Amino acid sequence: KNEVEQSPQNLTAQEGEFITINCSYSVGISALHWLQQHPGGGIVSLFMLSSGKKKHGRLIATINIQEKHSSLHITASHPRDSAVYICAGLFMEYGNKLVFGAGTILRVKS
Amino acid sequence: GAVVSQHPSRVICKSGTSVKIECRSLDFQATTMFWYRQFPKQSLMLMATSNEGSKATYEQGVEKDKFLINHASLTLSTLTVTSAHPEDSSFYICSARVPGGSRGYTFGSGTRLTVV
Repeated sequence: KNEVEQSPQNLTAQEGEFITINCSYSVGISALHWLQQHPGGGIVSLFMLSSGKKKHGRLIATINIQEKHSSLHITASHPRDSAVYICAGLFMEYGNKLVFGAGTILRVKS
Repeated sequence: GAVVSQHPSRVICKSGTSVKIECRSLDFQATTMFWYRQFPKQSLMLMATSNEGSKATYEQGVEKDKFLINHASLTLSTLTVTSAHPEDSSFYICSARVPGGSRGYTFGSGTRLTVV
């Protein structure tokens, strides 16, 4: 069992829809990251958060430490948002190394 | 800011040859860099942690003699895949912690290695 579980694995949305991707983790983390990977492979770090909520443009990330759960929301989705979204936990148990979820493949249709 | 430049982006090599991948921090000093490998449709797996001026720390199951890591300066880390084999074909990506950054880590653009 992976320490970081993401859902859904695949998500297809219509342009303009509100999107939610979920991430849960098994043990304590010092921080959680949301990453975006485009088809070419390059990875962009979207958020790092350890509590509460962060917002950047149309992206919102929230984390509930007690429930060991984080969500990434995309408002007014656009085809250019199509990518793989990965959550990664910085686990204290593993010497603060990043442990990655399997990713959510998002496709936004126009 | 906080950009890591990775080269080459794509390389094809023959079995038995060695391939060097470079990661360079452009506007900050990275005393530590992380090297990951990603198989198709799978997540990233940490191979090793590269430390400036000292030996790299390898994850369990990663062959040190096959994947040579050198972190010669505060801005450059290299991964050399030696005696490449088709099984080494994969996507390799480096990462560094962003000093004081709110986004945590910055990633290189990755290297697609194909061994024929």
